[in-house]
Amino acid sequence: KAGVTQTPRYLIKTRGQQVTLSCSPISGHRSVSWYQQTPGQGLQFLFEYFSETQRNKGNFPGRFSGRQFSNSRSEMNVSTLELGDSALYLCASSLNPTGLNTEAFFGQGTRLTVV
Amino acid sequence: TQLLEQSPQFLSIQEGENLTVYCNSSSVFSSLQWYRQEPGEGPVLLVTVVTGGEVKKLKRLTFQFGDARKDSSLHITAAQPGDTGLYLCAGASGAGSYQLTFGKGTKLSVIP
Repeated sequence: KAGVTQTPRYLIKTRGQQVTLSCSPISGHRSVSWYQQTPGQGLQFLFEYFSETQRNKGNFPGRFSGRQFSNSRSEMNVSTLELGDSALYLCASSLNPTGLNTEAFFGQGTRLTVV
Repeated sequence: TQLLEQSPQFLSIQEGENLTVYCNSSSVFSSLQWYRQEPGEGPVLLVTVVTGGEVKKLKRLTFQFGDARKDSSLHITAAQPGDTGLYLCAGASGAGSYQLTFGKGTKLSVIP
């Protein structure tokens, strides 16, 4: 069974540009969450999608957005990139997280560097 | 805002020693997960604890969830170099939507 696939693995962008990252969840998983990981702040929740609907959003500016397609694949977009957006962006998939036992399986991440 | 405090932040020990990592919060979580992350990779799920007071064992790793479901610990017996990595605890905040709150992690180095 394939795991969570994130593409690309590495990206270098210039300040002011925009970027789109992609995530394919584990087959059968319908929830996709995105996290930003930096050395100073650790892992911070960006947003979560389930059945093409954003169910929850973290405390990030509107430059960060996402969407989910009917096949559960998800993309996140960051517009007007800033140096501080340099981070490892992680995608996590879950089967159908309701109730108590909510387990997330992470992809390898996309390392974004903004110069 | 829910926060998870992990301690210690860094730990360097000799092979064969025991260690405990702590994860504390003032908030109640519906479940708590422990992950291990290698450099440049995503976190890998080790265990999920759900019930207050629950203890789970995974070979040399023992995980405990506090009675009030606000804190957890990870104990490693006879650490090995392969245990080296970043250990993260993460709390899940209830049904209906999926959001994990992560601690900042404990970076463990096991020296041969």
